Amino acid sequence: EVQLVESGGGLVQPGGSLRLSCAASGFTFTSYWMHWVRQAPGKGLVWVSRIYSDGSSTTYADSVKGRFTISRDNAKNTLYLQMNSLRAEDTAVYYCARVESGSNKRSLDYWGQGTLVTVSS
Amino acid sequence: DIQMTQSPSSLSASVGDRVTITCRASQSINSYLNWYHQKPGKAPKLLISAASSLQSGVPSRFSGSGSATDFTLTISSLQPEDFATYYCQQSYSPPWTFGQGTKVEIK
Repeated sequence: EVQLVESGGGLVQPGGSLRLSCAASGFTFTSYWMHWVRQAPGKGLVWVSRIYSDGSSTTYADSVKGRFTISRDNAKNTLYLQMNSLRAEDTAVYYCARVESGSNKRSLDYWGQGTLVTVSS
Repeated sequence: DIQMTQSPSSLSASVGDRVTITCRASQSINSYLNWYHQKPGKAPKLLISAASSLQSGVPSRFSGSGSATDFTLTISSLQPEDFATYYCQQSYSPPWTFGQGTKVEIK
């Protein structure tokens, strides 16, 4: 069974840092691109970042570029999101998700349960 | 960035109704269009990928159509478990933008 379990969320002051983790199991982690998506309270889904299966390429939303870093440890089957210089508007539930890809399709087929990050003084 | 616009933002429907949600992209995305639904407090769930490919385990009352810039999600006969918020997402180019969501409520 595919499982993605996020951890590391919590309350942090503006300007602070936090590192989220996403532990993967039930599939060959090294074969899949991975993404982070966030959702502010009562709002819609917002794409944050992606990383290739081997970690060779990363992409970020403009809103987090230069502040967030996505990475992965394929030996530990774990995805990370290092978040620095946090702002109130970064308050959200953060989801990790796996990319399903194939002929003419790319989608997020499995999602974790999410971890809440609250940025407040 | 590619903008995704869903309509309507919300709708009220009854069990058994046929429901249609539309999604428009600001430029052509071929068929790189996915549909998800999300229930309160839960993670999103993939329903349809590549505009019309039903995900394994998703009931056949869900269907998707469209290409280029205009896409549709149809629920042929709304069931109680379908009341949720629905999102489209383009995966043609990063950032993989989402529509703003369509909340399907009970009439």
